[in-house]
Amino acid sequence: DTGVSQDPRHKITKRGQNVTFRCDPISEHNRLYWYRQTLGQGPEFLTYFQNEAQLEKSRLLSDRFSAERPKGSFSTLEIQRTEQGDSAMYLCASSPRSGISYNEQFFGPGTRLTVL
Amino acid sequence: AQSVTQPDIHITVSEGASLELRCNYSYGATPYLFWYVQSPGQGLQLLLKYFSGDTLVQGIKGFEAEFKRSQSSFNLRKPSVHWSDAAEYFCAVGDDKIIFGKGTRLHILP
Repeated sequence: DTGVSQDPRHKITKRGQNVTFRCDPISEHNRLYWYRQTLGQGPEFLTYFQNEAQLEKSRLLSDRFSAERPKGSFSTLEIQRTEQGDSAMYLCASSPRSGISYNEQFFGPGTRLTVL
Repeated sequence: AQSVTQPDIHITVSEGASLELRCNYSYGATPYLFWYVQSPGQGLQLLLKYFSGDTLVQGIKGFEAEFKRSQSSFNLRKPSVHWSDAAEYFCAVGDDKIIFGKGTRLHILP
């Protein structure tokens, strides 16, 4: 069990550019979540997947944001035409739907995005 | 509306002293409750969780929390803090979609 991994850990981009983040969940975890955390705040839910199906999207997820989990394993979060307000830490988590850790979300280290 | 309130933004305690971090929640159904800790440069780590059963739950690193339905509270406690406990603590509620509080930053005096 290597934990949830995210890539890259840091991303600096210019306003208007597109960025894509990757999340690799713990193997055998069928649920995968994306959160956004800004300075001084708790994480805010963005979206989640069960296997490859995207089950819920927050209103925070504007049309510029898209998330995929094509084969039910890793996931990508893309932000198009980035804005300075998108600067934040993007967190990924995964959870099993059975076993002793049922419904626990295990978080990755996050990707810190800075939009200049 | 579902929400989590952590009324203390910062708390400072002396090393070896006891600690209580407050958390109140608003949730329509029977809540799933969590406490997470986040150290600088580290990811969120689950300290403990409450799903059902005994309302006093034990977690890692010597932490415990008590669920009080009548008060809609889930306060985190530790009898004696260590300097390494300095971090940000988040109370959270939810099932698939977890709602986090804004966090309480814990400072430890030597």
